[in-house]
Amino acid sequence: GQQVMQIPQYQHVQEGEDFTTYCNSSTTLSNIQWYKQRPGGHPVFLIQLVKSGEVKKQKRLTFQFGEAKKNSSLHITATQTTDVGTYFCAWRGSGNTGKLIFGQGTTLQVKP
Amino acid sequence: NAGVTQTPKFRILKIGQSMTLQCAQDMNHNYMYWYRQDPGMGLKLIYYSVGAGITDKGEVPNGYNVSRSTTEDFPLRLELAAPSQTSVYFCASKDFQETQYFGPGTRLLVL
Repeated sequence: GQQVMQIPQYQHVQEGEDFTTYCNSSTTLSNIQWYKQRPGGHPVFLIQLVKSGEVKKQKRLTFQFGEAKKNSSLHITATQTTDVGTYFCAWRGSGNTGKLIFGQGTTLQVKP
Repeated sequence: NAGVTQTPKFRILKIGQSMTLQCAQDMNHNYMYWYRQDPGMGLKLIYYSVGAGITDKGEVPNGYNVSRSTTEDFPLRLELAAPSQTSVYFCASKDFQETQYFGPGTRLLVL
């Protein structure tokens, strides 16, 4: 079935450094969502992208959807300790069920 | 507005025991989902419901059952618990803009 592969699995950065996680698919995706899960917490919705080449920003976070709609990225500028957690991409499959297929996630550690 | 609530927060089961994980939402969402998350992994869909009285299987339904008698509640039943069902279980509901809201999770240990 459809899968979304996410890299890297782990990333350790110094506070103030940038961070990027990538989500890749072998087939075209109709949409992509991003979620953040703090350690011991639950996933929290960040954003949804649906258009080819779409770029959206939320403060220090920049989300991109590739032109071919086969990949997406989340970039955090100047990381802070509050950015610690696991970031998941998820594809909302075809049909009207809203079912999500999640990538494996990228866990971000930030050293103060 | 409590959002999505789940009980219990943590449970230890012996192999072969049964239990029901409770999930409720007060946002009047029709769509609800059960996911499991194994350590270091993404979430996998167990069952979902598009409205009261309607449920369907997700990716990993074996060993689980669900019911949806009301819009608010979506309980997940584990019959004959197995060690492979040790996981964190998240319930979620979805709004019309496709945003999913997750509950705080239930940590289950099967020994």
